Amino acid sequence: AQSVTQLGSHVSVSEGALVLLRCNYSSSVPPYLFWYVQYPNQGLQLLLKYTSAATLVKGINGFEAEFKKSETSFHLTKPSAHMSDAAEYFCAVGLDSDRGKLIFGQGTELSVKP
Amino acid sequence: KAGVTQTPRYLIKTRGQQVTLSCSPISGHRSVSWYQQTPGQGLQFLFEYFSETQRNKGNFPGRFSGRQFSNSRSEMNVSTLELGDSALYLCASSSSGTNYNEQFFGPGTRLTVL
Repeated sequence: AQSVTQLGSHVSVSEGALVLLRCNYSSSVPPYLFWYVQYPNQGLQLLLKYTSAATLVKGINGFEAEFKKSETSFHLTKPSAHMSDAAEYFCAVGLDSDRGKLIFGQGTELSVKP
Repeated sequence: KAGVTQTPRYLIKTRGQQVTLSCSPISGHRSVSWYQQTPGQGLQFLFEYFSETQRNKGNFPGRFSGRQFSNSRSEMNVSTLELGDSALYLCASSSSGTNYNEQFFGPGTRLTVL
């Protein structure tokens, strides 16, 4: 069965610093991978997705993620944090065989200090 | 295009009552998935509907049910409410339901059970 692990429930960075949010997945078949962001009292917004094309995926708001099959990882990065990046971030995995179902990690809350 | 809409946004019920939540997908999307989000369990998949048929189901008791109408709008029903059903309920739509296509989330319905 597939699963997603996000290392660190809380991450704090200074404005302008590198953002690195970690995601590892477990799946017996090649998965689709997603990063979503959730602002308070809102739904989830897609940041980026990996669907077996390029392993380095660029998303919105300057975020990108690299799919590393050997490490079963899909870490999210952004070179320079902005105050508006403060939110909760979720990594998710989906399979062709499991239609309409995403398995989510527990989430990482990102704080950005001025 | 209008996004995914959910009504109502907030709901307060008492134990033993039942509740119906509504979700209108993005125009042209035929797949609707439902998720429950709680601080303790995170985001968990409830079920997915495509063309009025439930295609996938998560691990929730039978008190949780849903349906989809011919215009792709979906409803979720919870009967005999328990305190533990207090959560943010999110619906998401996608064009086909295959996980190659991303899911677009609504703002959620916050259910409080007293």
